[in-house]
Amino acid sequence: GESVGLHLPTLSVQEGDNSIINCAYSNSASDYFIWYKQESGKGPQFIIDIRSNMDKRQGQRVTVLLNKTVKHLSLQIAATQPGDSAVYFCAENLPSGSARQLTFGSGTQLTVLP
Amino acid sequence: DSGVTQTPKHLITATGQRVTLRCSPRSGDLSVYWYQQSLDQGLQFLIQYYNGEERAKGNILERFSAQQFPDLHSELNLSSLELGDSALYFCASSVERYTEAFFGQGTRLTVV
Repeated sequence: GESVGLHLPTLSVQEGDNSIINCAYSNSASDYFIWYKQESGKGPQFIIDIRSNMDKRQGQRVTVLLNKTVKHLSLQIAATQPGDSAVYFCAENLPSGSARQLTFGSGTQLTVLP
Repeated sequence: DSGVTQTPKHLITATGQRVTLRCSPRSGDLSVYWYQQSLDQGLQFLIQYYNGEERAKGNILERFSAQQFPDLHSELNLSSLELGDSALYFCASSVERYTEAFFGQGTRLTVV
């Protein structure tokens, strides 16, 4: 079964507000996490990543927070725009020697309201 | 454009048939990953190849197989197709372990 899950399947926010998308993971050995954005009909697009030796990482308008104590990951989007409407997936990397097995959560549909 | 190319974009075939999906990774990427995305299962990891060798296996059925060729392109072979195999199949590539995987646009497979 899935080791990564999302608290909310859908999230609606007003344009200009900040968005927070949450993700819980169950494997404490996971050492690398990625947030992806998937628009309808397209492949997942990388947003931001974070390694397990960090607890925060910032990008352009996005911030990822990692709380290893409670195995929780969140994606914060500042000043949400209509173009941010998409499904957001968190993914965790399960170490397996030199291999990577990215396990994805079920996704959160973000809708930006005008 | 992620730089990962998948062909074909759409494929319609009958049950019991066999199909081959093709993926060309980004230039310089040695790792190729295959994922299946269906409505009720989300993104499921199938298999990973690194420089021609299988490195990790996920929820891949025995009817499915993959390989990575010396030029690093990869093919996913799906045989004895069933209606439930209808899904989007994504290929992704990455340079190394702690770098992001870039996804192609996917192949939409419809089994009728």
